[in-house]
Amino acid sequence: KQEVTQIPAALSVPEGENLVLNCSFTDSAIYNLQWFRQDPGKGLTSLLLIQSSQREQTSGRLNASLDKSSGRSTLYIAASQPGDSATYLCAVRHSNYQLIWGAGTKLIIKP
Amino acid sequence: DAMVIQNPRYQVTQFGKPVTLSCSQTLNHNVMYWYQQKSSQAPKLLFHYYDKDFNNEADTPDNFQSRRPNTSFCFLDIRSPGLGDAAMYLCATSRDVASGRGLTDTQYFGPGTRLTVL
Repeated sequence: KQEVTQIPAALSVPEGENLVLNCSFTDSAIYNLQWFRQDPGKGLTSLLLIQSSQREQTSGRLNASLDKSSGRSTLYIAASQPGDSATYLCAVRHSNYQLIWGAGTKLIIKP
Repeated sequence: DAMVIQNPRYQVTQFGKPVTLSCSQTLNHNVMYWYQQKSSQAPKLLFHYYDKDFNNEADTPDNFQSRRPNTSFCFLDIRSPGLGDAAMYLCATSRDVASGRGLTDTQYFGPGTRLTVL
């Protein structure tokens, strides 16, 4: 059974720092992995999607990597800003339409 | 802008009183999803539609039903809400990129409807 884990559950860093969020999954047979952002009381915004054949994807200050063999993905945020404060969730597409979700990392960027 | 719209954003209902949440999309995606998300938890998939084909998750309670009258609209009906059904309900859409073989592109989410049960 595929399980997705995100560590840490919460992270607080000063503005301007580079940071890494971690996502691990137990079964390497995935179609893709997706990182989402969720602001309090809001829906989810897709940040990056990495297909199983890819190693990384970049969008602005965000870079996501995927290592299927080790069952890990990282989301790198460069030069963090207070507006980056949110909960970040990763989700793995294990089969067909089902997404298997991590519980998220709550990120706080201190001005 | 193309988007996923959910109405209402906030819904209050009484214990046992049926409620319907709506979702519409302008993306023309053929797959639509309903998720339930409780505080500080990951979203939980309730069911999804591939075109008009309904796919229920095994652990979705019978209390939850769904309708998709056309490509653009999808409804979530909660027949007899209980206190445990209070949650954020998220609608999402995606595009099938593999001709029905189950591989889809990015899921796009609506802003959610927060349901309160009194």
